Amino acid sequence: DGGITQSPKYLFRKEGQNVTLSCEQNLNHDAMYWYRQDPGQGLRLIYYSQIVNDFQKGDIAEGYSVSREKKESFPLTVTSAQKNPTAFYLCASRGQVFTEAFFGQGTRLTVV
Amino acid sequence: DAKTTQPNSMESNEEEPVHLPCNHSTISGTDYIHWYRQLPSQGPEYVIHGLTSNVNNRMASLAIAEDRKSSTLILHRATLRDAAVYYCILRDVNAGGTSYGKLTFGQGTILTVHP
Repeated sequence: DGGITQSPKYLFRKEGQNVTLSCEQNLNHDAMYWYRQDPGQGLRLIYYSQIVNDFQKGDIAEGYSVSREKKESFPLTVTSAQKNPTAFYLCASRGQVFTEAFFGQGTRLTVV
Repeated sequence: DAKTTQPNSMESNEEEPVHLPCNHSTISGTDYIHWYRQLPSQGPEYVIHGLTSNVNNRMASLAIAEDRKSSTLILHRATLRDAAVYYCILRDVNAGGTSYGKLTFGQGTILTVHP
């Protein structure tokens, strides 16, 4: 079945460590997005990519990095520079201008 | 992207209609109105979208004001499974040059459905 997959669902890391969250889609979508969601809050855009080997900063890119080497993959690295990395992270993709975005089930990152 | 304004929360009883409002007074002529909803601990899912005319699908109806400065998502008979956060966002199909651009969400409306 086509879809967008985030892994792992839960992730625990020690403070000061970098961690990479996976996002894979087999929908042949050009655009992919990463969001952060804190408890009781809406989604905030971290990075987005509209084509392979290109990506743009969203509203809260500091302390995060991404790559887009393949169309189907858009991994997010949470670096030690991110002051408060504990959050729910969501990945999304879109295939056409006039169509909806599809979201993964999210990764809940806890830094201890 | 143009901004949207939604009430923080709304309540409804099961099997009653629900009207979720969204104000977008700075909407441009090329902005599509999209609605998504997010169930607890899940990613958002698409509900409906429109440009000028009212739209219906199996999940909901979208009523768009004549001046397009506001819209209303209508759930015809609320069920307990409709309890979620509902987001209204605008999508300018010409933004960014390549037409994808940002996809920006606000705070949304928390819908509580009572049995």
